[in-house]
Amino acid sequence: DAGVIQSPRHEVTEMGQEVTLRCKPISGHNSLFWYRQTMMRGLELLIYFNNNVPIDDSGMPEDRFSAKMPNASFSTLKIQPSEPRDSAVYFCASSLSLRSNSPLHFGNGTRLTVT
Amino acid sequence: AQSVTQLDSQVPVFEEAPVELRCNYSSSVSVYLFWYVQYPNQGLQLLLKYLSGSTLVESINGFEAEFNKSQTSFHLRKPSVHISDTAEYFCAVSDQTSGSRLTFGEGTQLTVNP
Repeated sequence: DAGVIQSPRHEVTEMGQEVTLRCKPISGHNSLFWYRQTMMRGLELLIYFNNNVPIDDSGMPEDRFSAKMPNASFSTLKIQPSEPRDSAVYFCASSLSLRSNSPLHFGNGTRLTVT
Repeated sequence: AQSVTQLDSQVPVFEEAPVELRCNYSSSVSVYLFWYVQYPNQGLQLLLKYLSGSTLVESINGFEAEFNKSQTSFHLRKPSVHISDTAEYFCAVSDQTSGSRLTFGEGTQLTVNP
């Protein structure tokens, strides 16, 4: 089991550029979550999917953020245009289901720096 | 609505000393409780969980946590810590209304000094 795989591990970009973060969930997991972690706000849930369908995107901060899950093994989080305040570590996590006793498995994150 | 409060943002201890990381939650329905650990530059890893049954749950590396419904607490303990336990620890809660969408606490940075 390779775990949740995120790419890239680090991303440095200039303000105004488009950023795409990628995630491959654990095979067989039906639910996928995108979190953002900052010192000021801790862990924030941005959006989550079940069976490739977005269930709740109320945590997405602005229209500049979008996420897709075109199939069960791939998801993207896109920021366009990026701003310095988007700098954070972005985590993808997957779980077997949305059942409340189903633990989350996290990737190692993408550290985004927007200058 | 759920909430989780981790009462200490930083806990420094010496190696081989006991440690307790405190976590309190609020929820109007039955809960499931989790502790996750985050080592530097890594994602969160599940340390232990309480789903039902015995209120005392243990991890493979010597941590334990006890679900106390009357105190709405789920404190994490270890009788003797190692330097390798230095990490950030997150308490999290879910219930049947939130599903696997967890509510996390703010985190506690445990630093074990030689």
